[in-house]
Amino acid sequence: GAVVSQHPSRVICKSGTSVKIECRSLDFQATTMFWYRQFPKKSLMLMATSNEGSKATYEQGVEKDKFLINHASLTLSTLTVTSAHPEDSSFYICSASRQGMNTEAFFGQGTRLTVV
Amino acid sequence: GQNIDQPTEMTATEGAIVQINCTYQTSGFNGLFWYQQHAGEAPTFLSYNVLDGLEEKGRFSSFLSRSKGYSYLLLKELQMKDSASYLCAVKAAGNKLTFGGGTRVLVKP
Repeated sequence: GAVVSQHPSRVICKSGTSVKIECRSLDFQATTMFWYRQFPKKSLMLMATSNEGSKATYEQGVEKDKFLINHASLTLSTLTVTSAHPEDSSFYICSASRQGMNTEAFFGQGTRLTVV
Repeated sequence: GQNIDQPTEMTATEGAIVQINCTYQTSGFNGLFWYQQHAGEAPTFLSYNVLDGLEEKGRFSSFLSRSKGYSYLLLKELQMKDSASYLCAVKAAGNKLTFGGGTRVLVKP
């Protein structure tokens, strides 16, 4: 069964509003989670690394004030898309790994965001 | 920087074999992963290589040569359900995964 749960799976919001996406590790603690964005027929692009109890680390070109990340507990990270615009419409996916270096990343189900 | 290359698209016939190549240039290496992704769904784990050689898991096998910065995923006895995108990903520093562009495989009857 799923070990990383992401919610919601689909969301439609109006331009200018904010949307929060949750990512939970279900049966393990994750000090680090990752947020990806994926455009149609493209691969996953890492947006940021979410660190429990500290600030997220953003990849180059990703606006930290637009994509707010909070990792308040060892099992939950949230991504908030603030003041959303149509160009933010995309598929957002989170991932987490169990402790240890050589472990696979488990992915959430993904969130299809449509901004109208 | 990180650079991971794989072909954009491949077509094969049901029952055949297809090999998807992946070359990488990364700062640091802690293993290479292959994931399968169907349209609109999250990636699912297929294989992991950290040492040179071949890892076999049922119909899927993955090979790694660290000195050449090269890996391939071999899919045998192709089935229609194998039509999907296949993502090569390298783990560098920490647990951060960098993905290649993905290879769309189309299996035809």
